[in-house]
Amino acid sequence: KNQVEQSPQSLIILEGKNCTLQCNYTVSPFSNLRWYKQDTGRGPVSLTIMTFSENTKSNGRYTATLDADTKQSSLHITASQLSDSASYICVVSPNQGGKLIFGQGTELSVKP
Amino acid sequence: ETGVTQTPRHLVMGMTNKKSLKCEQHLGHNAMYWYKQSAKKPLELMFVYSLEERVENNSVPSRFSPECPNSSHLFLHLHTLQPEDSALYLCASSQDLFAPYNEQFFGPGTRLTVL
Repeated sequence: KNQVEQSPQSLIILEGKNCTLQCNYTVSPFSNLRWYKQDTGRGPVSLTIMTFSENTKSNGRYTATLDADTKQSSLHITASQLSDSASYICVVSPNQGGKLIFGQGTELSVKP
Repeated sequence: ETGVTQTPRHLVMGMTNKKSLKCEQHLGHNAMYWYKQSAKKPLELMFVYSLEERVENNSVPSRFSPECPNSSHLFLHLHTLQPEDSALYLCASSQDLFAPYNEQFFGPGTRLTVL
């Protein structure tokens, strides 16, 4: 069964600290993996997309990694800011298209 | 207006009411989607339209009725809902239907509360 599992479910960190969010998937065949950021009261917005052959991709203070062999991805946030408080959702697209497979999200709260 | 817009942003309704959610995309996309987002759960795909034709109905109860009058507009008509239908309803669009590299662009959602 195609599934995406994220951990932790929620996380509280102090402003300026780093953190790493995890995503494990069992989607096969695999096409690509996206990390979305969803601010409270807003829709999800794509941060990064990674394909099978990519190991790492950065978008400002956000760095995503992908290990296609172990079917794991992580999102590392450097020097966190209050505006990073949001839900981060891992989404996997099967090969040849088809429905997206969503994780349940990690709720990140950055405190001053 | 740019991107994907949704109205209303918040809706409170009784179980006997009839209401409609509206979604509009200004991106020239061909596919539009309705999702339900409940707390601590993954997004659930409800309906999919491609070029105004419904291509997917994910076992959604008939009290939810979608309508796509043109490729830019999508509605979700609601009637005799249950309290467990309370959730955030998200609309999304993409250039093509389920193309693996096509990003889905989401609207801000309608927060629905059923009393």
